[in-house]
Amino acid sequence: QQQVKQSPQSLIVQKGGISIINCAYENTAFDYFPWYQQFPGKGPALLIAIRPDVSEKKEGRFTISFNKSAKQFSLHIMDSQPGDSATYFCAATLANAGGTSYGKLTFGQGTILTVHP
Amino acid sequence: EAGVVQSPRYKIIEKKQPVAFWCNPISGHNTLYWYLQNLGQGPELLIRYENEEAVDDSQLPKDRFSAERLKGVDSTLKIQPAELGDSAVYLCASSFKGSGSRTGELFFGEGSRLTVL
Repeated sequence: QQQVKQSPQSLIVQKGGISIINCAYENTAFDYFPWYQQFPGKGPALLIAIRPDVSEKKEGRFTISFNKSAKQFSLHIMDSQPGDSATYFCAATLANAGGTSYGKLTFGQGTILTVHP
Repeated sequence: EAGVVQSPRYKIIEKKQPVAFWCNPISGHNTLYWYLQNLGQGPELLIRYENEEAVDDSQLPKDRFSAERLKGVDSTLKIQPAELGDSAVYLCASSFKGSGSRTGELFFGEGSRLTVL
């Protein structure tokens, strides 16, 4: 199974609040889980990524939590800002040995985040 | 450093007409991807190149879609003839296969939006 299921479809948060987006995957062979941010009219851009050997990764206001046994991972955006308003995609793939190449990224359906000022 | 460049940004054609999209990856990136993004959905891989070789084209509808990456740099994606259902954004991405902390990261272009009437 190659699916990655993402929820919610849309999310509205007040400025300063916490945004949480969840993803679940089926293929237990996946070993690289990135999150992409996409603004209207632009291509997706890598935000943060995690490998399954750690349960959490934090970069600034963005944190990925990973639960290998449940096959779930989530993105937390702390102190959400209006500039964070965008569509967020989780993804999963198999990295080759050494992590130097990623083949087919399987994306979730996306979450439209709106942060009100 | 210039990003992934795609053209045209927008294309409107009538069904059964041919269309071609061009992509210039980031200099030095040996892996190139074409993704299809339908409205409100995550990107889906069409084809992946390692240098000049198409290493994964299993999702490319070969009856009407074709792609090439001559000399392992620029790439062209062609649809002939186009159908109504081909209306979507065609994203090109590139990555570097090698060593480094974020090696393998996909860098996306802004996409080519196709409307088939």
